[in-house]
Amino acid sequence: GAGVSQSPSNKVTEKGKDVELRCDPISGHTALYWYRQRLGQGLEFLIYFQGNSAPDKSGLPSDRFSAERTGGSVSTLTIQRTQQEDSAVYLCASSFVTGSSYNEQFFGPGTRLTVL
Amino acid sequence: QKEVEQDPGPLSVPEGAIVSLNCTYSNSAFQYFMWYRQYSRKGPELLMYTYSSGNKEDGRFTAQVDKSSKYISLFIRDSQPSDSATYLCAMRSAGGFKTIFGAGTRLFVKA
Repeated sequence: GAGVSQSPSNKVTEKGKDVELRCDPISGHTALYWYRQRLGQGLEFLIYFQGNSAPDKSGLPSDRFSAERTGGSVSTLTIQRTQQEDSAVYLCASSFVTGSSYNEQFFGPGTRLTVL
Repeated sequence: QKEVEQDPGPLSVPEGAIVSLNCTYSNSAFQYFMWYRQYSRKGPELLMYTYSSGNKEDGRFTAQVDKSSKYISLFIRDSQPSDSATYLCAMRSAGGFKTIFGAGTRLFVKA
């Protein structure tokens, strides 16, 4: 079956512009995660969705970052007034419901964002 | 201090060598310990996970968790050039949703 897909794969934008990054999770996965990976670094947790709800948004770096999920499926990460420090790969992952048991997160290929 | 510490390397070994990759952590609530492999310009893929302490073996890969020392390891036996990638440790608490990743160790296996 299809894995997690993300679009666009690459995005180059000018400082100050807004960008939208899209994630299509694996069908049936109720949990969805966004991470940021700066060059040569590990993954930084941004936000998690259970269904359409985001119980914890504390990982979002600033109020320029927002995310939503509709229909328990597709999610969009929006960055307003982009800054050069926002340049990174943005990864999305999905899993079955999380909680006390382990559920593997499946990652998409990421969106490489470059802010000039 | 970061919650999870991992030496970024790079680590270069000859083909056939045994590779040891390690992470330390500070949060005693972590119960799930994972190792991911990430090839260049790809998303991470899960190699193995372990719940609580102990060892787990899968083919050429062995994961070890020592909760008393807050130390986890991944061993790769008979390493192959195709094992060249970045290896990320990750962990989370039981009942939690937030997974904390290490910085990743870049591994090069030379033919």
